[in-house]
Amino acid sequence: GEDVEQSLFLSVREGDSSVINCTYTDSSSTYLYWYKQEPGAGLQLLTYIFSNMDMKQDQRLTVLLNKKDKHLSLRIADTQTGDSAIYFCAEIPPLGGKLIFGQGTELSVKP
Amino acid sequence: DVKVTQSSRYLVKRTGEKVFLECVQDMDHENMFWYRQDPGLGLRLIYFSYDVKMKEKGDIPEGYSVSREKKERFSLILESASTNQTSMYLCASSPREYAFFGQGTRLTVV
Repeated sequence: GEDVEQSLFLSVREGDSSVINCTYTDSSSTYLYWYKQEPGAGLQLLTYIFSNMDMKQDQRLTVLLNKKDKHLSLRIADTQTGDSAIYFCAEIPPLGGKLIFGQGTELSVKP
Repeated sequence: DVKVTQSSRYLVKRTGEKVFLECVQDMDHENMFWYRQDPGLGLRLIYFSYDVKMKEKGDIPEGYSVSREKKERFSLILESASTNQTSMYLCASSPREYAFFGQGTRLTVV
C-alpha cells in the first residue's frame, strides 16, 4: 500500500545543518515533495524533485533521492530560527492524483 | 500567485450541528482536496474531487460529505458535528503535479 514515513522531531542549533529524512513505498511515484508548515498556517510547497533525478539544490536546500532504497531527504544548510516548522514529505502515486503525506517532522532550531 | 482561500480561520460549533467549510481557488485547477491534520498523524485525506460534481472518498470519509458545484469551490460538510471532529482542516487545489494549500480552518466542536 501507499505509505510515507518520517521521524517526528529534530532539534538542531542555529548555524548547523539539518537533515530531515523520509521513506516512501510507491517506487513508481513521479514526483516527491517537501512542504513546510509554520505555526498556525497552511502548508507551503518548499521544493520538489522528479523521480529521474538524484539531487536538487535550491539555495540552502538540498534534496537527495535514493530510488533504490525509496529514501528522500531534505538538507537545510546554515539552519536559522526562522526554519523552525513542521516539514512534510509527500508523494503522488501515478494513478492516484492525490498527495500522500508523511506524519511531518517538527524541526526545532535553538539559538 | 495561486490563491486558495478557506472561509474561516477559526470555528467553534456545538455537537450535532451541521457545519460547512468552504474553500475557493482562483487558478482553474481541476483537482481539489480536503485533509484533516492531527498531531502525530500528519495529514489524512477526507475527500477529493477531480472535476465539477465529481468526488471520491479519501482515507477517512466517515462523518463527512463534500460538494463541488463550481470548479473553483469545494465544500466540506460535517453532517452532525462530533467532538472527535475537532481538528485542523486543510483545503488544497492542484493542476496535477503539486498542490497549493489554504491557510487552514481550526474547528473546535464543543
